[in-house]
Amino acid sequence: DADVTQTPRNRITKTGKRIMLECSQTKGHDRMYWYRQDPGLGLQLIYYSFDVKDINKGEISDGYSVSRQAQAKFSLSLESAIPNQTALYFCATSATGNQPQHFGDGTRLSIL
Amino acid sequence: AQKVTQAQTEISVVEKEDVTLDCVYETRDTTYYLFWYKQPPSGELVFLIRRNSFDEQNEISGRYSWNFQKSTSSFNFTITASQVVDSAVYFCALSGDAGGTSYGKLTFGQGTILTVHP
Repeated sequence: DADVTQTPRNRITKTGKRIMLECSQTKGHDRMYWYRQDPGLGLQLIYYSFDVKDINKGEISDGYSVSRQAQAKFSLSLESAIPNQTALYFCATSATGNQPQHFGDGTRLSIL
Repeated sequence: AQKVTQAQTEISVVEKEDVTLDCVYETRDTTYYLFWYKQPPSGELVFLIRRNSFDEQNEISGRYSWNFQKSTSSFNFTITASQVVDSAVYFCALSGDAGGTSYGKLTFGQGTILTVHP
């Protein structure tokens, strides 16, 4: 089984819908992250959490919210999806702030 | 603010050629960490290497090597004798050390698409 699991892997939805992307990990890491990948822009940090009680905004948090339900679970929500949120979304974990981040396989989200 | 620039958007080579992917970074942190990740066509992100700013030794791992030069703020990645399986998008990334605002947050470059033709 994958250490970092994202669900769903693919999702197509309509403008205005509420969407939740889920991430769970078995690595025992405290730190979890959500990134968005757009073609030609690399990955941009949406939100990050250094432990269950610590959640922080990243570079592009507008339009998104997160919930850290447990050490192993970190979900990303789009309250009212819009087409320019169409992208590939990655969840990642790390043991400490300077250790490599380990990524899930990504969720491809299309908003029509 | 941190910045990572991968000026090469796409590189195309023929199998067995050597290829170097460039990465230039900007940071105000005195201590920081640099990373390379690989994203094959299947889409997942694979960690390749981490280098800290106080260790300028170059590193070789099989056909891969990394040249870190603090004086020019560069962390270049070379693949020797490239293979078709090396075809992927390669990302360079940067994070700051503890105590700084960028601690634990990766800043990615735009990525370089490498295509290796048979």
